[in-house]
Order: sequence, then C-alpha cells, then structure tokens
Amino acid sequence: DVKVTQSSRYLVKRTGEKVFLECVQDMDHENMFWYRQDPGLGLRLIYFSYDVKMKEKGDIPEGYSVSREKKERFSLILESASTNQTSMYLCAGADSNYGYTFGSGTRLTVV
Amino acid sequence: TQLLEQSPQFLSIQEGENLTVYCNSSSVFSSLQWYRQEPGEGPVLLVTVVTGGEVKKLKRLTFQFGDARKDSSLHITAAQPGDTGLYLCAGGAGGYQKVTFGTGTKLQVIP
Repeated sequence: DVKVTQSSRYLVKRTGEKVFLECVQDMDHENMFWYRQDPGLGLRLIYFSYDVKMKEKGDIPEGYSVSREKKERFSLILESASTNQTSMYLCAGADSNYGYTFGSGTRLTVV
Repeated sequence: TQLLEQSPQFLSIQEGENLTVYCNSSSVFSSLQWYRQEPGEGPVLLVTVVTGGEVKKLKRLTFQFGDARKDSSLHITAAQPGDTGLYLCAGGAGGYQKVTFGTGTKLQVIP
C-alpha cells in the first residue's frame, strides 16, 4: 500500500524555535506539497517541489522554507516558530491525474 | 485565482437519508477530485474524474463532473454514520499537479 508518512502526529514548540517537519513517500512521486489547514481557511499551499532540489512557493510561504535532497523526502522548516503558525500541517504526493495521497498530518502548537 | 465553492458548508442528516454536495467554479479544470477527511487525519482520495459529463460510482457514492468541467457533485445514497467527515473537492489545472481545494462540506450523519 502506497504511503506518505509524516514523522510526528503532534508537536509542541516554543516561540522562536526552528522546527523541522519531515515527510517521506514511497510512491516515486515527482511532485510533493506542504499545506496547512486552519478552521474557516481550508487548505493553503505553503510550498511544493517538482524534483529533487527544486522548489516553488505556494500561496503562503512567508516564515517557511523547504528542503528536498532526495526524491522520497520533503521537509518543511519553520525558521523561527511563531504562535500564528499553530496549525495542522499536511504533506502530499501527487499522481499523474492530480490525485493526492496525504500523510496523516502533524498538529503543531507553538507556545 | 481559481476558486472552488462548495455547498452546503454544513450538513447534519439522519442515517438512511440521501444527500448531494456541490462543487462550483467559474474556471475549467482538467480533472476534479473528491476527498474525505476525518478529524485529526489527512484527506483520503475518493475519486478522480477527468471527462466532462463523467459519472463514477463508489458503492453508495456517485460523483459527476459537469459537462463544461467547471463543477461537480457528490451524491450519497442512504447515508451511514461512517460517512461522517469533511468532504473536499479539488480541481487540477496548473502545472506540477497543483490543485485548488474547495471550501469543504462538513457532513454529520446521526444514527
């Protein structure tokens, strides 16, 4: 069964910390995505990657960066966590018909 | 910016009832996906439709893509408590498999 795995289900971090969210896929997908999901705002695209070492900004990239050193791994980095980055973070890989496979999500709380 | 509006936003029905959820846009999409998301989990892909007018069935769920590929509907027959969740439509049109997510419909099926 194909999978997208996010390393943490729940995280609590302090304001100002550097936070790494890890995502690994076993589907050989070229394209991978990071979203955040907030009540009333839906899913918003933070960054995506279409190849190793390639990345593109999504709709809300401010305060975030990404890393894709290997095809199967796509990391989201919060350079200096702030309370307004408290959210559910979702990683996904896409097949050729735009169908996404999502990870289970990481619920991040910044205190 | 492509927008996908879903209606209704919230739906609470009794077990056994039928329902339809709508997903509308002024933009044309090359494909349309439907997802179901349970609390604390990532969205799970239910179906992808790619041809205008296409109808797909998944047990008690029927999905239709509009003839002009701007809208879609999801019909559930004889809803069950296990159908409870957030239903999201997503339209694909951009490069790199990027999609636009709809605003979501929160369904509650009461036993």
